[in-house]
Amino acid sequence: AQSVTQLGSHVSVSEGALVLLRCNYSSSVPPYLFWYVQYPNQGLQLLLKYTSAATLVKGINGFEAEFKKSETSFHLTKPSAHMSDAAEYFCAVSPKDDKIIFGKGTRLHILP
Amino acid sequence: DTGVSQDPRHKITKRGQNVTFRCDPISEHNRLYWYRQTLGQGPEFLTYFQNEAQLEKSRLLSDRFSAERPKGSFSTLEIQRTEQGDSAMYLCASSSPNEQYFGPGTRLTVT
Repeated sequence: AQSVTQLGSHVSVSEGALVLLRCNYSSSVPPYLFWYVQYPNQGLQLLLKYTSAATLVKGINGFEAEFKKSETSFHLTKPSAHMSDAAEYFCAVSPKDDKIIFGKGTRLHILP
Repeated sequence: DTGVSQDPRHKITKRGQNVTFRCDPISEHNRLYWYRQTLGQGPEFLTYFQNEAQLEKSRLLSDRFSAERPKGSFSTLEIQRTEQGDSAMYLCASSSPNEQYFGPGTRLTVT
C-alpha cells in the first residue's frame, strides 16, 4: 500500500525566508510523487511531479522538490517565500497512471 | 476555458435528501476520478472511470453513493439520504498520462 506523511500541519515562515515542507512516502513500487497547492475555496493545482526521471524536480512559482529514495522523502522547497505562497500544500503519491493518495496537508503561513 | 468543470459549486441540503453533482472532464481524457475532501484533510479517492466503465470503488463509497459516466464524457455522483457526515468538498479530476487535472470542486453542506 502507498501512503504519504507530511510533517507539520502548519508551517510559518517570514517573507523572503526559505520554505521547506516535509514529505515522506511509502510505496511498494516505484512511485510517482506530486506536490499540489490549494488556495482557499479553490481546487487543487499541480506544483510539480516526479516520474522517475531527474531526482530534482522544478515546478511552478519557484518551487522545487528532491526525490531521495534512501530517505523515502520528497521535500518541497522555495528559496524565498512570498506572501502569495500562503496556502495549503499537499504531498501525494501514485502508482503510474492510477489514483492519487494524498497526505493530510500542510498549511503555509507567511509572516510579514 | 477547457479545464475540468463541476456543477454546482456549492450545495446546501437537509439531512435525508438526495443530491447529484456533475463533472465535465477535459474532452480528450479517458479517465475520470472522484475524490472527497473533508475539512482539514487531504482528498480521499472515491472512484474512477475508464471511459464509461467504473473500474474501482473505494470502501468510502457506501451504498448511498453512486457514480455514473454513461457516455464516457461527463460524470455524475449521487448521494442518497444524505447525512451530516457527507458534508465535504467533492473533487473531480480527469487524467492524461501521468497527470490528473482537478476541477474546482462542489462543496456540500448537509444541515
